[in-house]
Amino acid sequence: QKEVEQNSGPLSVPEGAIASLNCTYSDRGSQSFFWYRQYSGKSPELIMSIYSNGDKEDGRFTAQLNKASQYVSLLIRDSQPSDSATYLCAVLMYSGGGADGLTFGKGTHLIIQP
Amino acid sequence: EAQVTQNPRYLITVTGKKLTVTCSQNMNHEYMSWYRQDPGLGLRQIYYSMNVEVTDKGDVPEGYKVSRKEKRNFPLILESPSPNQTSLYFCASSPYGGAPPRGYTFGSGTRLTVV
Repeated sequence: QKEVEQNSGPLSVPEGAIASLNCTYSDRGSQSFFWYRQYSGKSPELIMSIYSNGDKEDGRFTAQLNKASQYVSLLIRDSQPSDSATYLCAVLMYSGGGADGLTFGKGTHLIIQP
Repeated sequence: EAQVTQNPRYLITVTGKKLTVTCSQNMNHEYMSWYRQDPGLGLRQIYYSMNVEVTDKGDVPEGYKVSRKEKRNFPLILESPSPNQTSLYFCASSPYGGAPPRGYTFGSGTRLTVV
């Protein structure tokens, strides 16, 4: 069973601080990783994708990947109340027939306190 | 505008009455997929299609059918809905099976209630 694990939270962070979200995955062959943000009742929207070990930065967001530890993280700097949402980690997995699509973690509920 | 369009957005139906949720994308994507999302269970894949006439089961296919007769459309069919299929459903598409940089493009969702 290919799994993606996240702490469900809620994770409460003061406005202006750094929010750190974590994700582990079970399939060592996974190559590509995504972070989506989802507001309640809305569709997920892509924040970051990463497929090389190390850090990738985009504005206030930094994704970190460590394939040896099978670990992906998302840092949100200068957190804003509008960042309050559920953050989904997704992993692209493959089978013999090709890409099996994305497997999602259950999400971490992030609350930014004004 | 590039998008995935799902209809209807909301649906309340009765047990056993067949229904279809439509999904259409205008990006010429080969890969399309259906997910359901339930509290505490996250997004779970129901069925996916890698191209026209090619479909395969995801993690929770029981009680659902799909078809892919044209590249742009991927309807989800519930032949005999039951209350445990009450959920929020998302259709998604991708040019390469979810590969980066974009991963999936999601539809707006369909909230289904079966009574």
